[in-house]
Amino acid sequence: GAGVSQSPSNKVTEKGKDVELRCDPISGHTALYWYRQSLGQGLEFLIYFQGNSAPDKSGLPSDRFSAERTGGSVSTLTIQRTQQEDSAVYLCASSLALILLSYNEQFFGPGTRLTVL
Amino acid sequence: GNSVTQMEGPVTLSEEAFLTINCTYTATGYPSLFWYVQYPGEGLQLLLKATKADDKGSNKGFEATYRKETTSFHLEKGSVQVSDSAVYFCALRGQTGANNLFFGTGTRLTVIP
Repeated sequence: GAGVSQSPSNKVTEKGKDVELRCDPISGHTALYWYRQSLGQGLEFLIYFQGNSAPDKSGLPSDRFSAERTGGSVSTLTIQRTQQEDSAVYLCASSLALILLSYNEQFFGPGTRLTVL
Repeated sequence: GNSVTQMEGPVTLSEEAFLTINCTYTATGYPSLFWYVQYPGEGLQLLLKATKADDKGSNKGFEATYRKETTSFHLEKGSVQVSDSAVYFCALRGQTGANNLFFGTGTRLTVIP
């Protein structure tokens, strides 16, 4: 079946503009995750959704970042008033439902490369 | 807190050479440990995992053993191939909390014929 898809694959924007990044998880996956990979750094966890709910938003780097998920499927990550330090690859992953003390494999999308000029 | 430190790259090896990529971690409790691989132009894929001490994860000729006494999860392969050229990420999932992963910075491996 189809994997996790993300759009756009590349986005170039000017400093101060807002951007929206989209993630389509694997059908039936109730958990969804956003990560960021900045140049020379590992993947940084941003936020996760269980269904439409995001229990912990503390990983978002600033209040310019927000995310939502509707219908337990598609998620959008919005960055307002982009800054050059927001330039990174934004990865989305999905997995089956979270189960305490268990691990459901996360399947990653190809990412969106964001460049802020 | 949870964190992962892995060997800086890039690593360049000749085909059939032995590979080791070091990974150490800091975590509370008993985390699960993973190696992910990102081939050129593709998304991250789970390569192998180990969920408790002394477990050995293996896949595609790669192996890693969960060593709690040294807080390590080093990736090894006895004979690398050109097709193994990729970026390798060590990661952990904490014992509690969300299912999110903590990643190392990645190690780029290039295998030359």
